[in-house]
Amino acid sequence: DSGVTQTPKHLITATGQRVTLRCSPRSGDLSVYWYQQSLDQGLQFLIQYYNGEERAKGNILERFSAQQFPDLHSELNLSSLELGDSALYFCASSGQANTGELFFGEGSRLTVL
Amino acid sequence: AQSVTQPDIHITVSEGASLELRCNYSYGATPYLFWYVQSPGQGLQLLLKYFSGDTLVQGIKGFEAEFKRSQSSFNLRKPSVHWSDAAEYFCAVGPNAGNMLTFGGGTRLMVKP
Repeated sequence: DSGVTQTPKHLITATGQRVTLRCSPRSGDLSVYWYQQSLDQGLQFLIQYYNGEERAKGNILERFSAQQFPDLHSELNLSSLELGDSALYFCASSGQANTGELFFGEGSRLTVL
Repeated sequence: AQSVTQPDIHITVSEGASLELRCNYSYGATPYLFWYVQSPGQGLQLLLKYFSGDTLVQGIKGFEAEFKRSQSSFNLRKPSVHWSDAAEYFCAVGPNAGNMLTFGGGTRLMVKP
């Protein structure tokens, strides 16, 4: 158990819909990262937040957005969903020591029909 | 731009045999290098990391990796594989510790009894 909690574990929705994925980082970790894992793209970095502020942005679509709240949990919002958005979305967290170790949650599997 | 290549998509080894998983990276400066393991239905767990110093690094579960700058490689090794090592293994490179990791496509390891 990494200490990172993601909900929901599975989500099935239709094209054009909007979903929100939630992540609770390990206790005390200030950084939250979102990654997308798909068969064709592999693991892609989406975005990082540090203590409520956006720190880095990767290959995140404009239809996607994220935020980190004062209690440090984070949400990834995916809108106008397309079939190609079907993937496993991982949240990871890291502490202030910045040792390079990311602690990953078990992921949220999104299926868009 | 940085990139990571794992040439072997699938590898099958017999239990007790030695293992080497290949990883090649492209990065403009001195990289931070990581190996993660993903068991079915689980998130990613850090096996080991290289930042600087001794080019042979030891990790958890009996794994080790060697950084070879001249070959831009960071191969993962284990002298004797156990059935529980069956999983997917990801090599990653970062611009700095823990931030915006770029992952390779992964190598799926199967272990024959």
